[in-house]
Amino acid sequence: KQEVTQIPAALSVPEGENLVLNCSFTDSAIYNLQWFRQDPGKGLTSLLLIQSSQREQTSGRLNASLDKSSGRSTLYIAASQPGDSATYLCAVPFMESNSGYALNFGKGTSLLVTP
Amino acid sequence: NAGVTQTPKFQVLKTGQSMTLQCAQDMNHEYMSWYRQDPGMGLRLIHYSVGAGITDQGEVPNGYNVSRSTTEDFPLRLLSAAPSQTSVYFCASGHQPQHFGDGTRLSIL
Repeated sequence: KQEVTQIPAALSVPEGENLVLNCSFTDSAIYNLQWFRQDPGKGLTSLLLIQSSQREQTSGRLNASLDKSSGRSTLYIAASQPGDSATYLCAVPFMESNSGYALNFGKGTSLLVTP
Repeated sequence: NAGVTQTPKFQVLKTGQSMTLQCAQDMNHEYMSWYRQDPGMGLRLIHYSVGAGITDQGEVPNGYNVSRSTTEDFPLRLLSAAPSQTSVYFCASGHQPQHFGDGTRLSIL
C-alpha cells in the first residue's frame, strides 16, 4: 500500500521567508504528483501537478519538484506572505484501472506565515 | 464556472438515519471520486468511478453505497448512519488534475 508522508506537520515562519515543504512516498512507480492548498473549513485547491517526466513545475512563487528514484517531492514557496497560511497537501495516484482514477493523500503541512 | 458542486454543505443526522450526499460536475469528466477527511487521518478514498455504470471501492467503503447513472452525477449514500461516519466529505472529478468540491460537513448524533 502506498504511504504518503509530509514533513513537517506544522510550520510557522515570518513573512518574507523562503520555505520548503516535503512529501515522501513509498512506491516510486507513480506517474504524477499533485500539490493542493486547503484553507480552514474549505475545499481543496489544486496548486501544481507534476508528471513523472517533468520533474519540476512552477506557478508564480511556487515551485514543485519530483524525484521518483528517492520517493520525494518538495514544494518551494518564495517570499512567503500571510495569505499563504493554509494546509498544503500532496497526493499521488491511488490507482488507475478500468474502474477510475483517485488520489492517495499525505496528512498535510499546516503553514502559518506571521506578519 | 460551477465546477464540482456538493449539496448539502452541512447536515446533522441521527444514528440509523439514511441520506444521500449529492455531487455534480459540469466539466464532462469521466473520473469522479468520494473522500472523507478526519482529524489526524487525512483524506481517505471511499469510492470512485470511471463513468456511468462503473464504480469501485476505495480504502474505506464500508457503510457507503454509490452508483453512477450519468456522467455529471455521483451521489454517495449512507444506508444507516453511524457516529463513526461523522466527517467532512469531499467529491472530486477529473484526471490529472483532480478538482474538488467545497465539501459536506456531516454530523451523526
